[in-house]
Amino acid sequence: DADVTQTPRNRITKTGKRIMLECSQTKGHDRMYWYRQDPGLGLRLIYYSFDVKDINKGEISDGYSVSRQAQAKFSLSLESAIPNQTALYFCATSDLEGAVPTFFGQGTRLTVV
Amino acid sequence: GNSVTQMEGPVTLSEEAFLTINCTYTATGYPSLFWYVQYPGEGLQLLLKATKADDKGSNKGFEATYRKETTSFHLEKGSVQVSDSAVYFCALSDFGTGRRALTFGSGTRLQVQP
Repeated sequence: DADVTQTPRNRITKTGKRIMLECSQTKGHDRMYWYRQDPGLGLRLIYYSFDVKDINKGEISDGYSVSRQAQAKFSLSLESAIPNQTALYFCATSDLEGAVPTFFGQGTRLTVV
Repeated sequence: GNSVTQMEGPVTLSEEAFLTINCTYTATGYPSLFWYVQYPGEGLQLLLKATKADDKGSNKGFEATYRKETTSFHLEKGSVQVSDSAVYFCALSDFGTGRRALTFGSGTRLQVQP
């Protein structure tokens, strides 16, 4: 089993719909992150959490929200999906100081039509 | 602001060839530098890192040296294998300025042919 598991792996949704992407990890790490990847732009940080009671906005948090349900679970929600949120989304964990992710999930490919 | 520039790919090499993937950066503080690798169908993995000038990060035969004078962190490997085919991302962290996010380059695809 993967250390960082994302569900679903692929999703097509309509504009205006609410959608949740889920992430669970077996690494035992306190730090978890959500990134999005767009062609030619690298990865950009959406939200991060250093423990269950700590949630922080990243570079591009507008239109997104997160929930840290447990040390092992960190979900990302799009409250009202729009087409420019079509991207590849990655969850990540870290055992390093600072905010440096070390292990990423396989990604969720989200298409908003 | 911070930025990372990588050479455009794809880079196509024959097995056992020497690899260099160029990475240069702009940062306002004293960043740490990283290389990540993304194999086909998988998430990124941290490959190596360097936290201060002249540090050399190394892992799995890959090396990169933090060059402050040229603001560079080029990735090298002496003899690539087909299994090294992947996308490589250079990144920096500049937490001394209060920013909490890594800045990633756009990635360089490496294709190694048998």
